[in-house]
Amino acid sequence: AQSVSQHNHHVILSEAASLELGCNYSYGGTVNLFWYVQYPGQHLQLLLKYFSGDPLVKGIKGFEAEFIKSKFSFNLRKPSVQWSDTAEYFCAVDTGRRALTFGSGTRLQVQP
Amino acid sequence: DGGITQSPKYLFRKEGQNVTLSCEQNLNHDAMYWYRQDPGQGLRLIYYSQIVNDFQKGDIAEGYSVSREKKESFPLTVTSAQKNPTAFYLCASSIDQGVSYNEQFFGPGTRLTVL
Repeated sequence: AQSVSQHNHHVILSEAASLELGCNYSYGGTVNLFWYVQYPGQHLQLLLKYFSGDPLVKGIKGFEAEFIKSKFSFNLRKPSVQWSDTAEYFCAVDTGRRALTFGSGTRLQVQP
Repeated sequence: DGGITQSPKYLFRKEGQNVTLSCEQNLNHDAMYWYRQDPGQGLRLIYYSQIVNDFQKGDIAEGYSVSREKKESFPLTVTSAQKNPTAFYLCASSIDQGVSYNEQFFGPGTRLTVL
């Protein structure tokens, strides 16, 4: 069965620091990839998605992610984080079964 | 406003009782999903439905049941057979119908506590 690994469970950064959150999946076929974010007290919402084309995708609020097929990875990046980026981030994979498999999440805490 | 509504926001039940969580969407989406969120475990798929009157078990379906009698509604029943029902439950929907990707939209969730 497919699985998604997020190795960073809790990340603490200062404002303006750069961010990279890891995401690896285990599935050999075609995948669609997503990053979702859950701000405190808010709905889970889509940050960005990849399903074909340019492996470097840009999302909302200055986030981007790079799909590296050979490494089965889809890491999330942001050059300079803000206090408002404090949230929980989830990587998710669609392997064609029409439902998503989520990673365990990374809690990001940005200190002012 | 288009979106997904879940009610109630907080739910308390005694052990051994069945409880039904509501999920309604007015996005005209074909597919609907139920996930369970536990600290440190992310979201795990309970059931999903791609079309009215049809649904499939997800990864942790034991102790849960669903129905999909209407396109807009996908209620989840947590039965007494579910061994650890206290959790945050999220409902989601997506367009489906042959699109090449599966972007899901989420409701605000229901926090169920079994006493």
